[in-house]
Amino acid sequence: EAEVAQSPRYKITEKSQAVAFWCDPISGHATLYWYRQILGQGPELLVQFQDESVVDDSQLPKDRFSAERLKGVDSTLKIQPAELGDSAMYLCASSLGPTSNQPQHFGDGTRLSIL
Amino acid sequence: KQEVTQIPAALSVPEGENLVLNCSFTDSAIYNLQWFRQDPGKGLTSLLLIQSSQREQTSGRLNASLDKSSGRSTLYIAASQPGDSATYLCAALLGTSGSRLTFGEGTQLTVNP
Repeated sequence: EAEVAQSPRYKITEKSQAVAFWCDPISGHATLYWYRQILGQGPELLVQFQDESVVDDSQLPKDRFSAERLKGVDSTLKIQPAELGDSAMYLCASSLGPTSNQPQHFGDGTRLSIL
Repeated sequence: KQEVTQIPAALSVPEGENLVLNCSFTDSAIYNLQWFRQDPGKGLTSLLLIQSSQREQTSGRLNASLDKSSGRSTLYIAASQPGDSATYLCAALLGTSGSRLTFGEGTQLTVNP
């Protein structure tokens, strides 16, 4: 079964540094999501793409976070500068289309630890 | 604020028992509800998706129901097995949230051999 690929699996860095996460969705999936999951909580959406366009980034801390999906396929999420509170699991998901009629498929995530 | 709540936060049962996990949501204008499984350190695996026009969905030993009027969904697991041990999350696509899923905090299930 096709999977959503994410890298790296783990990232440890010091505060004030820059970090980047990469996601390759399931082939043919037009919708891509980045979530942040704090330990013991459910995921919260950071940004949603439809093809190469951002359709929802209302929960993205834009002063330090950025996301792009230049060719409408894979995507990168960046944090600069990282803060202690950014320590969390960053999950990428994709779906064929809008969520109302399509399930989201998740990758295994990147666990970020800020020292 | 739209919320999704899961009770209990943790559940421990002996192998073979049938069990029910609960999910409640505050907005009756729901488009769909999705149940996920999450193993430690892993991403989410989609189990069942119920559209607002449906009452229930079944997959193997799993059955999920949706009652919009009461703002509740349940996930029924029959004949539980140790391999079912994981955190189960429900997520709702609610009326005014656009296409953003709102997740509960999950129920951590342990099935003891």
